[in-house]
Amino acid sequence: QVLLVESGGAVVQPGGSLRLSCAASGFTFSNFFMHWVRQAPGKGLEWVAFIRSDGTNQYYPDSVRGRFTVSRDNAKNTLFLQMNNLRPEDTALYFCASNWNYGNDYWGQGTLVTVSS
Amino acid sequence: QSALTQPPSASGSPGQSVTISCTGTSSDVGAYNYVSWHQQHPDKAPKLMMYEVSKRPSGVPDRFSGSKSGNTASLTVSGLQAEDEAEYYCSAYAGNGKYVFGTGTKVTVL
Repeated sequence: QVLLVESGGAVVQPGGSLRLSCAASGFTFSNFFMHWVRQAPGKGLEWVAFIRSDGTNQYYPDSVRGRFTVSRDNAKNTLFLQMNNLRPEDTALYFCASNWNYGNDYWGQGTLVTVSS
Repeated sequence: QSALTQPPSASGSPGQSVTISCTGTSSDVGAYNYVSWHQQHPDKAPKLMMYEVSKRPSGVPDRFSGSKSGNTASLTVSGLQAEDEAEYYCSAYAGNGKYVFGTGTKVTVL
């Protein structure tokens, strides 16, 4: 059974930092490109980060580049998202997901990040 | 990069068809055949319904079909069923490792 379980969400003040984790099981994690996707309350999906299977390349939209860093530990089947200099507009449910381009459809249930003073 | 443009809502009666459009640019939807569609029910994780424009993942009914023309992709749901009522998001590869989602369409089964 495929499982992606996010953790690390919390309430943090503007300017603060947070590290999210996504524990994978039930599939060969090291073979999969992975994404972070977020969804602000009542809003649509927004792509946040993409990392190749071996972790050699990472990609971000302009809205988070320079503040967020995606990484992975294939030995521990875990994906990470380091978020620095957080802003109120970063408040969202953060999902990890396998790359869907080729028909793979693995998503976690999300972890909530709230940026508020 | 800007979100892909989708109509906010679409509706149809059970058994009818509904088509959702997804308009991007020549740098994303028009550039690659990596357009996907995701279904999301309230308080649930998204579910992949279509990938590479018109391919259905295993388990997705053939009532769902996808197409693309130029910078606009479309998802058609034929034979609408109550369980098809959900939010639908398109996504596209935009080159250089970047991705973009659509604004989302709420499908209502009347």
